[in-house]
Amino acid sequence: DGGITQSPKYLFRKEGQNVTLSCEQNLNHDAMYWYRQDPGQGLRLIYYSQIVNDFQKGDIAEGYSVSREKKESFPLTVTSAQKNPTAFYLCASTRGATNEKLFFGSGTQLSVL
Amino acid sequence: AQSVTQPDIHITVSEGASLELRCNYSYGATPYLFWYVQSPGQGLQLLLKYFSGDTLVQGIKGFEAEFKRSQSSFNLRKPSVHWSDAAEYFCAVGAHNDYKLSFGAGTTVTVRA
Repeated sequence: DGGITQSPKYLFRKEGQNVTLSCEQNLNHDAMYWYRQDPGQGLRLIYYSQIVNDFQKGDIAEGYSVSREKKESFPLTVTSAQKNPTAFYLCASTRGATNEKLFFGSGTQLSVL
Repeated sequence: AQSVTQPDIHITVSEGASLELRCNYSYGATPYLFWYVQSPGQGLQLLLKYFSGDTLVQGIKGFEAEFKRSQSSFNLRKPSVHWSDAAEYFCAVGAHNDYKLSFGAGTTVTVRA
């Protein structure tokens, strides 16, 4: 079955540590996205990528970095510069570079130790 | 700038009763409107979308939504809810052929027996 796989489901970060969240899709989708979800705030866009080796900042990119070396993969690194990283992180993809229908992974809950 | 308001943070409804979730948007041009549903600890799933044409759109799981331009609204309805409809519901707005979506803060639906 095609879909988006996010791992791990739960992740803990120590102070000053960088952590990387994995996102893999086998839908052959061109565009991939990272959203951050906080209770009562909906989803906010961190980064998006429309093609391999290219990505753009979203609304809240500070303290985060991404790479898109393969079409299937779009990992997100939460750096030590992100002072409030505790949140639910969602990866999504779309067939084209449009918002017509987002397919979401099941998310990663990141917490700070 | 585009934005979405979901006035109700939490709604409790009895099983078998009707459900209506409100969504108001702010957008300068013709909006593309979406409703997504999220089960606890999971990603989001598209329920329905409106791009143009008939202002009453049908979606999955027996949901429908009506676009009212004069009221800048896109309310979601279901005639008879099932216990499995307990979830968080997000309204979103975007532009045609654009990557970006603006999500509302979400409405949590609790279904009582």
